[in-house]
Amino acid sequence: NAGVTQTPKFQVLKTGQSMTLQCAQDMNHNSMYWYRQDPGMGLRLIYYSASEGTTDKGEVPNGYNVSRLNKREFSLRLESAAPSQTSVYFCASNTGTGGNEQFFGPGTRLTVL
Amino acid sequence: AQSVTQLDSQVPVFEEAPVELRCNYSSSVSVYLFWYVQYPNQGLQLLLKYLSGSTLVKGINGFEAEFNKSQTSFHLRKPSVHISDTAEYFCAVTRTNAGKSTFGDGTTLTVKP
Repeated sequence: NAGVTQTPKFQVLKTGQSMTLQCAQDMNHNSMYWYRQDPGMGLRLIYYSASEGTTDKGEVPNGYNVSRLNKREFSLRLESAAPSQTSVYFCASNTGTGGNEQFFGPGTRLTVL
Repeated sequence: AQSVTQLDSQVPVFEEAPVELRCNYSSSVSVYLFWYVQYPNQGLQLLLKYLSGSTLVKGINGFEAEFNKSQTSFHLRKPSVHISDTAEYFCAVTRTNAGKSTFGDGTTLTVKP
């Protein structure tokens, strides 16, 4: 069981470039989440997918798009990267019911110059 | 809507001393409560969770937390910390009918020799 995997681990972009962060889980979870983590600001939810075929905005969705490709995969796209999007991005998944914890990937460290 | 306040952003302690990390929450509906730990350059992992029943919950690595409904708190404690407990700790709440969580801003625990 790999759990939640994320690619790439590190990425450096120039302002205006685009990229897609990939996330996959092998736990048959219904729900998947994308967060960004910035120093002193905890985890902020960008987008989530409560089940296959649905996506919803979180706390900080501006500048991002997502695709729930199938039950396993949930990608995050930056169409035109900005320095303010420099952050560590985490993908997580869970069954989608309230008593179940989220399982996190190892993160993607993104720098936008 | 829910909110989580972690009352201390940084907690330095000496090895073998007791520690308490404080978490207060606010919600108009019933919630489940979680503590996660994040070691350097890793994703978050579950320490413990409160769903129902006994208000004292035991987790991994000797940590425990007490749910106090009247004070809307869920403080994390360990009677004797080790250097290896140095990490960031996050408190989170989830509505009982949903999988999406609200996270606090985190508390950095630094254990000194």
